[in-house]
Amino acid sequence: RKEVEQDPGPFNVPEGATVAFNCTYSNSASQSFFWYRQDCRKEPKLLMSVYSSGNEDGRFTAQLNRASQYISLLIRDSKLSDSATYLCVVKRDNNDMRFGAGTRLTVKP
Amino acid sequence: EAQVTQNPRYLITVTGKKLTVTCSQNMNHEYMSWYRQDPGLGLRQIYYSMNVEVTDKGDVPEGYKVSRKEKRNFPLILESPSPNQTSLYFCASSLSGLGSPLHFGNGTRLTVT
Repeated sequence: RKEVEQDPGPFNVPEGATVAFNCTYSNSASQSFFWYRQDCRKEPKLLMSVYSSGNEDGRFTAQLNRASQYISLLIRDSKLSDSATYLCVVKRDNNDMRFGAGTRLTVKP
Repeated sequence: EAQVTQNPRYLITVTGKKLTVTCSQNMNHEYMSWYRQDPGLGLRQIYYSMNVEVTDKGDVPEGYKVSRKEKRNFPLILESPSPNQTSLYFCASSLSGLGSPLHFGNGTRLTVT
């Protein structure tokens, strides 16, 4: 079993839709959590950190459930430019990072 | 400008010819790491380093070497490249503290024929 698991998708949604991704992690000692966005053949870029209390950045909301060991990302009012692969990243207590395989999102007109 | 710099961006080589992909960061980060990305497999960690002279194997270290003689540099060495090492490679760095995210280089697309 992978340490960080995501639904690979693809998620195909119309513009304006709300879409949610989940990610589960197996190492209970994990300390920090992030969502990254990766466009085709480019480097991953930080979308947002995920805090225990949940956090929001514009149309994006991230949630962390430590008891169930999952992280979620909610995108409201999807834009065409949101089309990308979204990577869940977990930082262990030894500061090493582990990646999910990514969830692919396509937003269509 | 704070950044992670990888070179080269593109490399085509032949089986068995030793090569080095360089990675340098100017953010004084303790943690550095190498990943390869292949279709359908996502990012897989090759090696990582918590600090100078400290390196550890990731998930797919076979066929690769690294060194961390200085804090800013973390080169990836392929002593005898093989076609199954054809991939997109990313270097990344991070502060060691909690909540510090990874910063990625632009990637190196390697083809081994």
